[in-house]
Amino acid sequence: AQSVTQLDSQVPVFEEAPVELRCNYSSSVSVYLFWYVQYPNQGLQLLLKYLSGSTLVKGINGFEAEFNKSQTSFHLRKPSVHISDTAEYFCAVTKISGNTGKLIFGQGTTLQVKP
Amino acid sequence: EAGVTQFPSHSVIEKGQTVTLRCDPISGHDNLYWYRRVMGKEIKFLLHFVKESKQDESGMPNNRFLAERTGGTYSTLKVQPAELEDSGVYFCASSQVETENTGELFFGEGSRLTVL
Repeated sequence: AQSVTQLDSQVPVFEEAPVELRCNYSSSVSVYLFWYVQYPNQGLQLLLKYLSGSTLVKGINGFEAEFNKSQTSFHLRKPSVHISDTAEYFCAVTKISGNTGKLIFGQGTTLQVKP
Repeated sequence: EAGVTQFPSHSVIEKGQTVTLRCDPISGHDNLYWYRRVMGKEIKFLLHFVKESKQDESGMPNNRFLAERTGGTYSTLKVQPAELEDSGVYFCASSQVETENTGELFFGEGSRLTVL
């Protein structure tokens, strides 16, 4: 079975500061990894994904994440956040083989960007 | 192109009543998923349709939940009778068969269910 742990439920940060949202996962099989974002009153939107290849993946809105297999982590980073980045962020995994739409989500991290 | 749409956006019902949630996937998306987020918990998989066929319903909590996708277009999720613990946000997501192997899903805004 797979599990995902997002280590921080809330992350307050000032505008233009860097941010890191942490995600660790557990799985006995190979997985794909994702970060989804949910802005207020909207559905979840894919931010970025790791399928294979380079462990540093870039997503939309200036976000990037690094896959670390030895530490089973997939932390999300942005060098300078904006007020508009205020949202809830979800880390998720799915098994490479089988139903890849069956995502296992973490508990979510609320990013609060302050002016 | 229209995204995944869900109706109603919010439903408040009494315990024991019935509620039906509807999801319209993106046109042409054969894969349709239902997920649920109970307050304070993680988003959890409920079930997966490919066209009109249920492929995986391993996440359905119990037999009070019934999902259908007649004709392979929109889907409904009925809760009958509703219990307090059914409160939460129900998300629908869809994907094309071609992108199935990447796991990328397109989500609706969710239907918030409150059972009193």
